[in-house]
Amino acid sequence: AQTVTQSQPEMSVQEAETVTLSCTYDTSESDYYLFWYKQPPSRQMILVIRQEAYKQQNATENRFSVNFQKAAKSFSLKISDSQLGDAAMYFCAYGGGSQGNLIFGKGTKLSVKP
Amino acid sequence: DTAVSQTPKYLVTQMGNDKSIKCEQNLGHDTMYWYKQDSKKFLKIMFSYNNKELIINETVPNRFSPKSPDKAHLNLHINSLELGDSAVYFCASSQPGLAVPGELFFGEGSRLTVL
Repeated sequence: AQTVTQSQPEMSVQEAETVTLSCTYDTSESDYYLFWYKQPPSRQMILVIRQEAYKQQNATENRFSVNFQKAAKSFSLKISDSQLGDAAMYFCAYGGGSQGNLIFGKGTKLSVKP
Repeated sequence: DTAVSQTPKYLVTQMGNDKSIKCEQNLGHDTMYWYKQDSKKFLKIMFSYNNKELIINETVPNRFSPKSPDKAHLNLHINSLELGDSAVYFCASSQPGLAVPGELFFGEGSRLTVL
C-alpha cells in the first residue's frame, strides 16, 4: 500500500525568508502524481503545486517550487519570500492508479513570523 | 459559482441522532469523494463514487451511507451518531485519467460536532 510521510509536524519561517517542507512516499507504481495542498485556518483545501512522476523537471508555481527525487521517493516543497498569508497546514499527497483518490500525509503546520 | 459545495458547513447534534451532509459539484467531473479530517488534521478517504457507482469503500462503520443520485451529487448520511464521529467532512471531485488521477477539487468542509 502507498504511504506518505511528512516528518515535520510544525515549521516556522521569518517573513521574506525561504522554507522547505519535507515529504517522502512509498509506492511500487511507476506512474503517479504528487501534490502539495494548503489548508489555511478557513479550512479550505487549496492546491499549491503538482508534479507528474514521469517529468524530470521540477514543478514551479511563482514562489512555490518542488524538489522531486523519484529514486529517493522524496517530494519537498520550497516556499520562497515567505508571506504572512502562507501560514497554514500543508499536506503532501500521492495519487496513483485509476481510482483517483489521493493519499495524504499528516501535514506540516507552517507559521510565518513578521 | 462554487465548484464543489457542501451543506451544511456546520452541524451540531446529539449522540444517537441521524444527520446528512449534501455535496454538489458543477465541474462536470465523473468522480466524487468523501474524506474525513480528524482532530489531528489527518485526512482519510471514506468513499468514492465514479458516475454514481461506488468504487472505494474504506473501513468505515456501516452507520455511514453514501448516496449518489447522479454524478454531480454525493451525499453522506450518518446514523446513530457517536462522539467519535466529530470531525470535518470534505467532499471532493476529480476527473481521473485512464491511468493516473487528476487534481482533487474540495468543498469547504462540513464541521460535525456530536455532543
